[in-house]
Amino acid sequence: GQQVMQIPQYQHVQEGEDFTTYCNSSTTLSNIQWYKQRPGGHPVFLIQLVKSGEVKKQKRLTFQFGEAKKNSSLHITATQTTDVGTYFCAGHLGTYKYIFGTGTRLKVLA
Amino acid sequence: SAVISQKPSRDICQRGTSLTIQCQVDSQVTMMFWYRQQPGQSLTLIATANQGSEATYESGFVIDKFPISRPNLTFSTLTVSNMSPEDSSIYLCSASTGPSTDTQYFGPGTRLTVL
Repeated sequence: GQQVMQIPQYQHVQEGEDFTTYCNSSTTLSNIQWYKQRPGGHPVFLIQLVKSGEVKKQKRLTFQFGEAKKNSSLHITATQTTDVGTYFCAGHLGTYKYIFGTGTRLKVLA
Repeated sequence: SAVISQKPSRDICQRGTSLTIQCQVDSQVTMMFWYRQQPGQSLTLIATANQGSEATYESGFVIDKFPISRPNLTFSTLTVSNMSPEDSSIYLCSASTGPSTDTQYFGPGTRLTVL
């Protein structure tokens, strides 16, 4: 079946270091969304990418959608302790639903 | 945007019993979904709650085990039936206010423990 994998599974960084998580789908996606889930919390929408090769920025966060629309990345510049949490991509396959990626858990050491 | 509440927030249940989880949205939404999330794991879609008709279940989930209702555009319930310890998980409701490709807003989740 369709799968959306993320790497790495875990990442520990020192505060101020950069962080990147990669999302790979086994099938072409119509669009992709990114969510952040704080420890003990629920997923919160960050952004949606639709176009092939699209790049969007939100302050220190940069999101990219691959040319083939099968992969995506999230890059955080100069991480802060508030960035702690699990980051999920969610791929849209052209129906009404999304498939969530396996997630990357980020820890930021002060 | 949409604000979603869920009840109960957590429960501890005995094997063989059933629990109904309620999901209330503060505005009318087009799509409502139910997910399951094991601690430290990703989200698995259980079903799409359709207003006024039967829910659409994903592979591995059946109506007899997870009956879902959606009587209107702001409310849905998920029942976990004949529970076993394997059903222990966090159950999340989500809603989308726009077309099928729009943002999903999630409820705070229901943490279920089955003894």
